[in-house]
Amino acid sequence: DVKVTQSSRYLVKRTGEKVFLECVQDMDHENMFWYRQDPGLGLRLIYFSYDVKMKEKGDIPEGYSVSREKKERFSLILESASTNQTSMYLCASSPAGRAVRNSPLHFGNGTRLTVT
Amino acid sequence: SQQGEEDPQALSIQEGENATMNCSYKTSINNLQWYRQNSGRGLVHLILIRSNEREKHSGRLRVTLDTSKKSSSLLITASRAADTASYFCATDVKDSNYQLIWGAGTKLIIKP
Repeated sequence: DVKVTQSSRYLVKRTGEKVFLECVQDMDHENMFWYRQDPGLGLRLIYFSYDVKMKEKGDIPEGYSVSREKKERFSLILESASTNQTSMYLCASSPAGRAVRNSPLHFGNGTRLTVT
Repeated sequence: SQQGEEDPQALSIQEGENATMNCSYKTSINNLQWYRQNSGRGLVHLILIRSNEREKHSGRLRVTLDTSKKSSSLLITASRAADTASYFCATDVKDSNYQLIWGAGTKLIIKP
């Protein structure tokens, strides 16, 4: 079974702190994604990566950056955390390359981040 | 903007009954996917249906797709307490850069 592991289940940070959310997958997937999930809004894509060192902006990249130095690891960085970034963050991966469709996403258990 | 919209937003039924959730979308798709999320956890993929398919089954799950109406339905038969979760549809939009567009979900509660 594919395992997508997010480093923290719960995180509490102060406004202005730099926050790192880590995600590791163990199935050699090309694609990795970071979403945030807020009540009533569904999942919104922050960034995704279809290869090492490649990244593309999703719908809401402002205030975030990402890093993918190794295929199995995709990090989300909040440069200066703000209270409106309090949310559930979900990492996902899929085996498809960029041009291939029809592959489901495999999700981690999420990190619930609270910024105070 | 959200492409998929689930209906109803919440559904509460008795154990053993069937549960039907609907998803509507706006543009042409490559495929439509259904996911389940248990409270406070990540999402789990249930079924993927391609745009040229009309119906798909997996155990107690049945998914239909009507591309002329731009809608899909997820039917869970003989519901169990363990089916209590939120259910999301996601559309893989044609000519997009492989971004899935998600609905806000249907919260399903199965009463014992």
